[in-house]
Amino acid sequence: GAGVSQSPRYKVAKRGQDVALRCDPISGHVSLFWYQQALGQGPEFLTYFQNEAQLDKSGLPSDRFFAERPEGSVSTLKIQRTQQEDSAVYLCASSSPPPDTQYFGPGTRLTVL
Amino acid sequence: DAKTTQPPSMDCAEGRAANLPCNHSTISGNEYVYWYRQIHSQGPQYIIHGLKNNETNEMASLIITEDRKSSTLILPHATLRDTAVYYCIVGYNNAGNMLTFGGGTRLMVKP
Repeated sequence: GAGVSQSPRYKVAKRGQDVALRCDPISGHVSLFWYQQALGQGPEFLTYFQNEAQLDKSGLPSDRFFAERPEGSVSTLKIQRTQQEDSAVYLCASSSPPPDTQYFGPGTRLTVL
Repeated sequence: DAKTTQPPSMDCAEGRAANLPCNHSTISGNEYVYWYRQIHSQGPQYIIHGLKNNETNEMASLIITEDRKSSTLILPHATLRDTAVYYCIVGYNNAGNMLTFGGGTRLMVKP
């Protein structure tokens, strides 16, 4: 079946631009997670949704980062006024109860020049 | 969540078993041990998880010590496609529990 998909796969932005990254979770999956992975590091948690409710956003590094999942399926991670330190791979994962394993998408590689 | 300690890198000959260790001495009673791997330029892929008993699936076996302070992931017949970074993660099996990745072990399978 279809897995988690993310778009775009690659994004180059000039410093100061706004970007929007999309995640299509596995159909029917209630939980959705965003992670950030810097080069050579393991992924780090950003935020978590249960259906349309954002229940944990403790990992968002600044108020320039904003995530939404208005209809409880597709999610968008938006980064405003991008900075060079935002360059990373942004990973989306989804899971479904009973508490299940997280299935990851391929990620979006963001490069801020 | 408890922290884990893994060797940064390991080599394995193709066709041989790969045994990847993980220390998690501060694991609490109801935390699970999860293993994920990440092949270059892909998202992490779930391998296996367990609480107390040893587990086996089509990908690997997970051996957890009786005191639960360490575990070993076993790939019985490693292939070149198993070259990846392997992450050992401990955490609660609750909805919404984010995964806390460490540095992982970079496994290189050599012909």
